[in-house]
Amino acid sequence: QSVLTQPPAVSAAPGQKVTIACSGTENNYVSWYQQLPKTAPKLLIYQNDKRPSGIPDRFSGSKSGTSATLGITGLQTGDEAEYYCGTWDSSLNTYVFGTGTILTLL
Amino acid sequence: QLQLHESGPGLVRPWETLSLTCRVSGGSISNNVYFWGWVRQPPGKGLEWIANIYYNGKTELNPSLRRRVSMSVDTPKNHFSLNLTSVTAADTAVYYCARHSNYFFSAVDVWGRGTTVTVSS
Repeated sequence: QSVLTQPPAVSAAPGQKVTIACSGTENNYVSWYQQLPKTAPKLLIYQNDKRPSGIPDRFSGSKSGTSATLGITGLQTGDEAEYYCGTWDSSLNTYVFGTGTILTLL
Repeated sequence: QLQLHESGPGLVRPWETLSLTCRVSGGSISNNVYFWGWVRQPPGKGLEWIANIYYNGKTELNPSLRRRVSMSVDTPKNHFSLNLTSVTAADTAVYYCARHSNYFFSAVDVWGRGTTVTVSS
């Protein structure tokens, strides 16, 4: 099964920008999810760089080769959460989540 | 607005079968734009995809759980279910039911609130 690798943790100051990498995505479309403490995950990005309705443009996604990146600008305390990438592996017909990255504001 | 509601036992004994149901409200489970699944999260750990099912009953299973997992769908009752056999402490987790959307290229766009399952004697 595919393995999507993320850094365990990132940190930045309020108002700053942070990026979170996800490697191992192969040629599959990547989604990103935000999981606030003790809540269900929430879809932030789909198809590498698209935002569902209601997601602020402070959140962005990109993909290059077999790696994807989530960017968050204008960091707010409410952004402290764990972030997961995910992809549908069409060769195996399985969904795979990344290892997760905890975002902490300094 | 479509919502997902998990139900099932909070406590399961080792080596027994865990059975969970997800009731879909505010929309039809038979819409072929979507497919339905389960994701779990052990305490302090990351998300693990378990399995998916389509409205016609076709399933796709996590290879690491394939031997123990099955899913079913009940379109008249608008719900789908998960069975996980021979559970151990490693199956203790929050179990989320989820909707994958082809509009979003198979991303999960709706999540249930999650139900905590503990495996213990």
